[in-house]
Amino acid sequence: RKEVEQDPGPFNVPEGATVAFNCTYSNSASQSFFWYRQDCRKEPKLLMSVYSSGNEDGRFTAQLNRASQYISLLIRDSKLSDSATYLCVVRAGGFKTIFGAGTRLFVKA
Amino acid sequence: GAVVSQHPSWVICKSGTSVKIECRSLDFQATTMFWYRQFPKQSLMLMATSNEGSKATYEQGVEKDKFLINHASLTLSTLTVTSAHPEDSSFYICSARDPTALGVNEQFFGPGTRLTVL
Repeated sequence: RKEVEQDPGPFNVPEGATVAFNCTYSNSASQSFFWYRQDCRKEPKLLMSVYSSGNEDGRFTAQLNRASQYISLLIRDSKLSDSATYLCVVRAGGFKTIFGAGTRLFVKA
Repeated sequence: GAVVSQHPSWVICKSGTSVKIECRSLDFQATTMFWYRQFPKQSLMLMATSNEGSKATYEQGVEKDKFLINHASLTLSTLTVTSAHPEDSSFYICSARDPTALGVNEQFFGPGTRLTVL
């Protein structure tokens, strides 16, 4: 079993749609959680950290369920520029960071 | 956020040659740097953790004699792919940890180096 699992997609949605991505992790000792965005042939860029209480940043909402070892990302009012691969990222003790394989999103006009 | 640079951004080399990739933290001192490799449509895979002034810690399955890592200063880590072969062709990305960064995330990524071995 992979340490961090994501649905690879692709998700094809029209502009303005709401789309949700899920991620599960296997290490119950994981301490920090993030969503990164990666554009084609570019390095990953931090989208947002994920907190236990859930957090929102504009059109993006992230939630964490420690009991189920599950993380989600919700994107509202999708824009063309949201098209990218979204990486679920988990960090256990120390600084070792585990990346999910990513979920590809295509937003269409 | 903090800035991390990589050089070169892309490189094409012949099979059997060695390639050196540099990772620099431009505006902070990075006590720890990480080297990742990403094959097309796959996840970033951690290759090794590089600590300034000490030997790198390699992940299982990564050959330390093939992927030489040197972290000679607090702002520079290098990855040398020795005797490169076509299967080493990949996107190599470094990240650096800024211990002074506020918040949960203190890891910053370089722009990556695309290696193609002919």
